[in-house]
Amino acid sequence: AQSVAQPEDQVNVAEGNPLTVKCTYSVSGNPYLFWYVQYPNRGLQFLLKYITGDNLVKGSYGFEAEFNKSQTSFHLKKPSALVSDSALYFCAVSVNTDKLIFGTGTRLQVFP
Amino acid sequence: NAGVMQNPRHLVRRRGQEARLRCSPMKGHSHVYWYRQLPEEGLKFMVYLQKENIIDESGMPKERFSAEFPKEGPSILRIQQVVRGDSAAYFCASSPFDSYEQYFGPGTRLTVT
Repeated sequence: AQSVAQPEDQVNVAEGNPLTVKCTYSVSGNPYLFWYVQYPNRGLQFLLKYITGDNLVKGSYGFEAEFNKSQTSFHLKKPSALVSDSALYFCAVSVNTDKLIFGTGTRLQVFP
Repeated sequence: NAGVMQNPRHLVRRRGQEARLRCSPMKGHSHVYWYRQLPEEGLKFMVYLQKENIIDESGMPKERFSAEFPKEGPSILRIQQVVRGDSAAYFCASSPFDSYEQYFGPGTRLTVT
């Protein structure tokens, strides 16, 4: 069965510091991996995806993620965090153009 | 190009009533997905539809829940005889044919009293 793990419920980082939000996955087959962000009382906004190709994927708002097949990970990163990045971040996986399996989410708090 | 539209944004129902949630996909998108988010949890897949077809309903509860995506008009998620445990945010997403990327609507927050 497909699954996604986000091991950290919350990540705290100071503004201007680099941030990492962790994600590992388990699928049978080639994974399609996604990161979404959710602001309070809002829907999910797409950040980036990995389908195939370069392991380093660049997305919206300066975010990037690295696909690591041997570690089955897809960690989200940003070189310099902003207070406005504070939100709930979801990693998701699919093995076809079908349903997304989401992690439980990681709350990112960026302090000024 | 308008995004995915959902209405109502907030819905309050008493136990035993019916809830109807509507989703209009983005223009040109033929696939619709429904997800449910319980408080402090991630999104759980419910159902995947194309026009007039249910493709995957493996995440739908066996009773009281149904979904449709007619040839004309929005997709409807219908919950009959609601119970308190149905209180959640229900999100719709759409995608174009043969695409991996899903675009989410703002959600409908259902409260059952």
